[in-house]
Amino acid sequence: DSGVTQTPKHLITATGQRVTLRCSPRSGDLSVYWYQQSLDQGLQFLIQYYNGEERAKGNILERFSAQQFPDLHSELNLSSLELGDSALYFCASSPQTGGAEAFFGQGTRLTVV
Amino acid sequence: AQSVTQLGSHVSVSEGALVLLRCNYSSSVPPYLFWYVQYPNQGLQLLLKYTSAATLVKGINGFEAEFKKSETSFHLTKPSAHMSDAAEYFCAVLKGSQGNLIFGKGTKLSVKP
Repeated sequence: DSGVTQTPKHLITATGQRVTLRCSPRSGDLSVYWYQQSLDQGLQFLIQYYNGEERAKGNILERFSAQQFPDLHSELNLSSLELGDSALYFCASSPQTGGAEAFFGQGTRLTVV
Repeated sequence: AQSVTQLGSHVSVSEGALVLLRCNYSSSVPPYLFWYVQYPNQGLQLLLKYTSAATLVKGINGFEAEFKKSETSFHLTKPSAHMSDAAEYFCAVLKGSQGNLIFGKGTKLSVKP
């Protein structure tokens, strides 16, 4: 158990819909990272938050957004969903930024039908 | 720009045989390198990391990796494979100062009895 909790574990939704994925980082970790894992793209970094502020952006679509709340949990919002958004979405946390080991949650498997 | 390339999407070994999973990196700065393992339906777990200290890095479950600057490689090895090692292995490099990772495409390890 990494200490990073992601909910829900599975999500099935229709095209055009909006979903919210939730991540609770390890106790004390200030950095939260979101990654997408798909068969064709592999593991890709989406976005990072540190202590409530956005710190780095990767290949995140404009239809996707994220935030980190004062209690440090984070949410990834995916809207206007397309079939191609079906993937495993991972959250990871680390104590700070830059070089520290990142601990991954078990992921949320999103299926868009 | 940093990147990693994993040679071989699928490696199969017999139980008790040497495991060798290959990773080459590209980085304009001294890299921080990582190996993660993903078991079926699980998140990623850190096996080991290189952060410019010793070039031979020992990790969990008997795995180790050697950083070779001249070859820009960070191959993962284990002297004797066990059935429980069957999983997908990802090499990653730290990008920038914020701590997000760039992953290789992964190598699926099968262990035959």
